[in-house]
Amino acid sequence: AQTVTQSQPEMSVQEAETVTLSCTYDTSESDYYLFWYKQPPSRQMILVIRQEAYKQQNATENRFSVNFQKAAKSFSLKISDSQLGDAAMYFCAYRTTSGAGKSTFGDGTTLTVKP
Amino acid sequence: DSGVTQTPKHLITATGQRVTLRCSPRSGDLSVYWYQQSLDQGLQFLIQYYNGEERAKGNILERFSAQQFPDLHSELNLSSLELGDSALYFCASSVESWGEKLFFGSGTQLSVL
Repeated sequence: AQTVTQSQPEMSVQEAETVTLSCTYDTSESDYYLFWYKQPPSRQMILVIRQEAYKQQNATENRFSVNFQKAAKSFSLKISDSQLGDAAMYFCAYRTTSGAGKSTFGDGTTLTVKP
Repeated sequence: DSGVTQTPKHLITATGQRVTLRCSPRSGDLSVYWYQQSLDQGLQFLIQYYNGEERAKGNILERFSAQQFPDLHSELNLSSLELGDSALYFCASSVESWGEKLFFGSGTQLSVL
């Protein structure tokens, strides 16, 4: 079974600085998707960024980028120029490309942004 | 706004009772997923429906059931409620059956007293 591990329960960053959230996963499959979701205090789960395992190029969405290391099964999220609105719980998620769309989520990392 | 609507937003009930949570997916989305988020279990996949049919089942208790109706809205039924069922229940939707991109509703906070 696939597992997703986020080893940092809490992280903090100064406004305008850069922070990296870690995620590792375990799978025997070669093709899959990885995601980072953001859950602000409103509780809404918001997709931040997505990476397809067959693509070597790291995904980027504005200030958010990932460092995808397939061999190491690592998928970290880098937030540049952190803003107060980035404060939230961040979840790493894995989904297989085969079969149904079940996603496996990590336990989350709470990010605090200090003004 | 994700376009996924969940009702009610909050639900308070007693042990042993039965409740129904409702989800309307984004317009055009055929897949509906139910997730449970609790402090001790994290975010757990419960069940998925695609165009009215059950597609995948996760850690869903036998006391729980779900269905997707012809108009594609879905309901999650929780019965014989226990204190441990208190959690935030999310519905998500996607266009495809394999959920390339999930769009989440704002959740139903269930409190079992």
